[in-house]
Amino acid sequence: GAVVSQHPSRVICKSGTSVKIECRSLDFQATTMFWYRQFPKQSLMLMATSNEGSKATYEQGVEKDKFLINHASLTLSTLTVTSAHPEDSSFYICSAPDSKSLQETQYFGPGTRLLVL
Amino acid sequence: GQQVMQIPQYQHVQEGEDFTTYCNSSTTLSNIQWYKQRPGGHPVFLIQLVKSGEVKKQKRLTFQFGEAKKNSSLHITATQTTDVGTYFCAGKRTNAGKSTFGDGTTLTVKP
Repeated sequence: GAVVSQHPSRVICKSGTSVKIECRSLDFQATTMFWYRQFPKQSLMLMATSNEGSKATYEQGVEKDKFLINHASLTLSTLTVTSAHPEDSSFYICSAPDSKSLQETQYFGPGTRLLVL
Repeated sequence: GQQVMQIPQYQHVQEGEDFTTYCNSSTTLSNIQWYKQRPGGHPVFLIQLVKSGEVKKQKRLTFQFGEAKKNSSLHITATQTTDVGTYFCAGKRTNAGKSTFGDGTTLTVKP
């Protein structure tokens, strides 16, 4: 199946700093990528839909100025958590659908564990 | 908005017992997908169902899509310890660009 990479896998930062997370589709082009947040033992919460060449679409309750998304190319989307606080500590996962596949499969990245001290 | 409910939240079984998780949507779906997330890992695609009443099998796993395309189930026959993890359904409405995930069912298997 298609491969999606995510970097970094883990990050620890001080409160008030910004953290950038990269999501790459390695062997296919993704005009759309999804960013999720998952708290321990909870479901995936969709934060935003990243669209190549246009603005991201944010879900209700997600601050677009705090979670900056840039979809600069057909293989790369970035999520920047600005002025991170301890409550932003979570598991962030991206996914990308392979539009050329027969099934609308979402391929998930391995996730990024963010810990804000 | 669309809601996708999944039950049960947790299921503990003895190895060899069967397991079923159910997914119900508040709206009619164009398709439903099932994912498995191992502890500490990320979700991995299992299958997609599209047709009303569709049944698909993958070895010990049986997936069903309801006639009304509003519910689905995943049944595992004779569970093994390798089946542990959280199983998520994700339903997509017609003409919607995104899927809505259920809360997941976490399966633990006692050897």
